[in-house]
Amino acid sequence: DAGVIQSPRHEVTEMGQEVTLRCKPISGHDYLFWYRQTMMRGLELLIYFNNNVPIDDSGMPEDRFSAKMPNASFSTLKIQPSEPRDSAVYFCASSPPGGNRPQHFGDGTRLSIL
Amino acid sequence: AQSVAQPEDQVNVAEGNPLTVKCTYSVSGNPYLFWYVQYPNRGLQFLLKYITGDNLVKGSYGFEAEFNKSQTSFHLKKPSALVSDSALYFCAVSSPRGGYSTLTFGKGTMLLVSP
Repeated sequence: DAGVIQSPRHEVTEMGQEVTLRCKPISGHDYLFWYRQTMMRGLELLIYFNNNVPIDDSGMPEDRFSAKMPNASFSTLKIQPSEPRDSAVYFCASSPPGGNRPQHFGDGTRLSIL
Repeated sequence: AQSVAQPEDQVNVAEGNPLTVKCTYSVSGNPYLFWYVQYPNRGLQFLLKYITGDNLVKGSYGFEAEFNKSQTSFHLKKPSALVSDSALYFCAVSSPRGGYSTLTFGKGTMLLVSP
C-alpha cells in the first residue's frame, strides 16, 4: 500500500499565478479530504468528497479555491489567482467507508506564494 | 458545533518518565475520538481511537488514551517516554452529525522529550 500520494511536495510561485495541487488517495477509500495547515489557524478542513462527489465545501476560503475529483483515484485543489496569504501546507487525506475508520494523510504540499 | 481543546501548546518530559497530553472535547451525541502524531515535514499518522467499549484504548508505539465521558476528556498517555516520541500531537473528534464523516482537530501539542 503506497499510501496517499501528493504532488508536488513543494511549490514556490509568484502572486497571481495559478497553482494546482494533486492527490492520489488509497485504493478502495471512498472519502477524500483536503486540509490546510498554518501556524496561526492550525489544521482546517477545506472540502471533502464521498464517492467523487463534493459533500461539503464550506471550508474553502474564497472563490479563488476550487477542487475536483474526476475519478476515484485522483483529485486536484486549484488556487487561481494565488496570493501570499495562501502560503501553507496543504494535506490530502482519504478514508474507507464507516465513520470509525481513521483518515490516512499524505505528506502534504508546502506552498509558498511570493 | 463540535470542538476540541488541547490546553497545552507544549509538553516537556524527560526520557523514561511518563507523559500525558491533554484533550477535552465538546460534541452533541456520542463522540468518536482520535489521536494523531505529526513528525516534521510529514503528514498526520493515526495513533489510536475510541469508538465504544473499554474506556482505556491502546494504540501504536506504546501510547494509550483514556476516555472520560463525565469530564469530556481523552488524554493521551505513555508510561515511559522516548526521545523519538518528540513530535506534534493532535486530538480529533467526530460526531453523529454528518454521520461521523469528518474530523475536528485540536490545535496540536508539541511534545519534547529530553535525553
